[in-house]
Amino acid sequence: GAGVSQSPRYKVAKRGQDVALRCDPISGHVSLFWYQQALGQGPEFLTYFQNEAQLDKSGLPSDRFFAERPEGSVSTLKIQRTQQEDSAVYLCASSLEGVVADTQYFGPGTRLTVL
Amino acid sequence: QQQVKQSPQSLIVQKGGISIINCAYENTAFDYFPWYQQFPGKGPALLIAIRPDVSEKKEGRFTISFNKSAKQFSLHIMDSQPGDSATYFCAARVANFGNEKLTFGTGTRLTIIP
Repeated sequence: GAGVSQSPRYKVAKRGQDVALRCDPISGHVSLFWYQQALGQGPEFLTYFQNEAQLDKSGLPSDRFFAERPEGSVSTLKIQRTQQEDSAVYLCASSLEGVVADTQYFGPGTRLTVL
Repeated sequence: QQQVKQSPQSLIVQKGGISIINCAYENTAFDYFPWYQQFPGKGPALLIAIRPDVSEKKEGRFTISFNKSAKQFSLHIMDSQPGDSATYFCAARVANFGNEKLTFGTGTRLTIIP
């Protein structure tokens, strides 16, 4: 079956540009998470959606980061005025219902490089 | 604040040997402890997970040992194979319906040599 897909897989942006990263979760999955993975580090939580509701955005590093999931399926992570420190792999994960033992299934990530 | 500490950072094991990766946590509200395996260019994939009401869980060659009083847990890979070469992350999650975000360790790069 289809897993979590993300696009683009690679994105190069000049400092100051805006970028939009897309996540297609597994069909029917209620919960959707965004994580940021710096080189050589573990993923770090950015934000969480339950259906279309953004229930936690405590991990977003600044107000330049914005995420949405308007219809409760596809999600977009937008970064405005990109900075070099935004360079990382952005991972999206989804889970069926979000209960404690639910498996989070990760996409392959989008590697963002800000020059 | 690093809530889950993982060691070692890298590990080299001979084929057929036992690979052991350790993690320690501080937040006693954590109630679910998964291990993820990540290959280059791929997203993390769940390997095995444990709840704190058991001290050990085994699935094939992979075993989690859990010590609640010490707030430590470890992954053991028996009969390690070259295909096990990957980066492994421990993680933890608070039992909180409404946000089951994962807190990850910093990862262990495992290399299995022939």
